[in-house]
Amino acid sequence: GENVGLHLPTLSVQEGDNSIINCAYSNSASDYFIWYKQESGKGPQFIIDIRSNMDKRQGQRVTVLLNKTVKHLSLQIAATQPGDSAVYFCAENRHDMRFGAGTRLTVKP
Amino acid sequence: EPEVTQTPSHQVTQMGQEVILRCVPISNHLYFYWYRQILGQKVEFLVSFYNNEISEKSEIFDDQFSVERPDGSNFTLKIRSTKLEDSAMYFCASTTASLAPLHFGNGTRLTVT
Repeated sequence: GENVGLHLPTLSVQEGDNSIINCAYSNSASDYFIWYKQESGKGPQFIIDIRSNMDKRQGQRVTVLLNKTVKHLSLQIAATQPGDSAVYFCAENRHDMRFGAGTRLTVKP
Repeated sequence: EPEVTQTPSHQVTQMGQEVILRCVPISNHLYFYWYRQILGQKVEFLVSFYNNEISEKSEIFDDQFSVERPDGSNFTLKIRSTKLEDSAMYFCASTTASLAPLHFGNGTRLTVT
């Protein structure tokens, strides 16, 4: 069936390095994608979104890349900081927002 | 900044009991959602609600679940007869449009004993 999934469940990076979190989706009809950050004990928090008519979008220290050919989404975090440690979810929206499995990012000082 | 608020933060109930989880979405939002997250797992879609009716629901949202918007501000999730496997974090979310980021509350932790 259609699903949103992630390649890696955990990612550990050194403070100051760049992080790349990947996500695969299989629903070719999805037209809107979002990255969320979830810190312990909190609800998901919006980071950045991208529509299917774009292939790149930049925010503050974050960039989302969308490759519709291979149905792949990535989140790049520049100069990763300890406060970036969290679980990151990609989500796709066709009729409703559906989440992937999540990647836990750990930033080592 | 406006927030989605959920109460209670933690609810403990016995198996077979009814629970009502409460949410106050952001005031100008039109679309409302419930999600659940079993500890250590992904966020799972339960139901979406728009224009006073359910828009979509997942296979998890069976006859034991219901939602209601009883007034202009609250959005509730009712579980009629709780099971042990209903233990999870339940998140409410709202948004202004169908293709817009969801704003989540901080969840209600439901523990069924």
